[in-house]
Amino acid sequence: GQNIDQPTEMTATEGAIVQINCTYQTSGFNGLFWYQQHAGEAPTFLSYNVLDGLEEKGRFSSFLSRSKGYSYLLLKELQMKDSASYLCAVMDSNYQLIWGAGTKLIIKP
Amino acid sequence: SAVISQKPSRDICQRGTSLTIQCQVDSQVTMMFWYRQQPGQSLTLIATANQGSEATYESGFVIDKFPISRPNLTFSTLTVSNMSPEDSSIYLCSVPGAGDYNEQFFGPGTRLTVL
Repeated sequence: GQNIDQPTEMTATEGAIVQINCTYQTSGFNGLFWYQQHAGEAPTFLSYNVLDGLEEKGRFSSFLSRSKGYSYLLLKELQMKDSASYLCAVMDSNYQLIWGAGTKLIIKP
Repeated sequence: SAVISQKPSRDICQRGTSLTIQCQVDSQVTMMFWYRQQPGQSLTLIATANQGSEATYESGFVIDKFPISRPNLTFSTLTVSNMSPEDSSIYLCSVPGAGDYNEQFFGPGTRLTVL
């Protein structure tokens, strides 16, 4: 079966750095996505990785290792507005998105 | 990115009734996706709506319960039929982006509560 695992909840301090991990087992691989979802709102696209390595976009970076079935989202210089759920999703061989359950990130002052 | 609107934004319905959710996109798209997100959980794909053909339903979802219409390339509806409290959820439509990543863009969602 297809499976994506991420921690349920994480807590970090404003100004710090946090890494949210995602491991996956899917039927094929056509890219991995990270989305941010604030409470009561729709998910918004953050990043995409299809090749191994690090993709950096401002305060957010995403890393992928296809051989390990592993990705992480790195958030630097945390702000209170970063409090949200972060969803990992993998596009499988049928170009269908398989979603993780999401990681709720709580930022404390 | 696409701009997507959904109606209604929220509703409270009685058991046994049906609700139709509308999704409007500001550009023409071939595929539209309907998701369900139950409280505290991630997204579950209900079906893919293609213009001019029957919707494709995922395992566990059937057309009698979730009929979908796709009359043109900018609009779709999802009906939640014969509702029960277990159908209480957020229903989201999404469309593929036109960019390099095939990322999906989501509508604001419809929050449904069934009493």
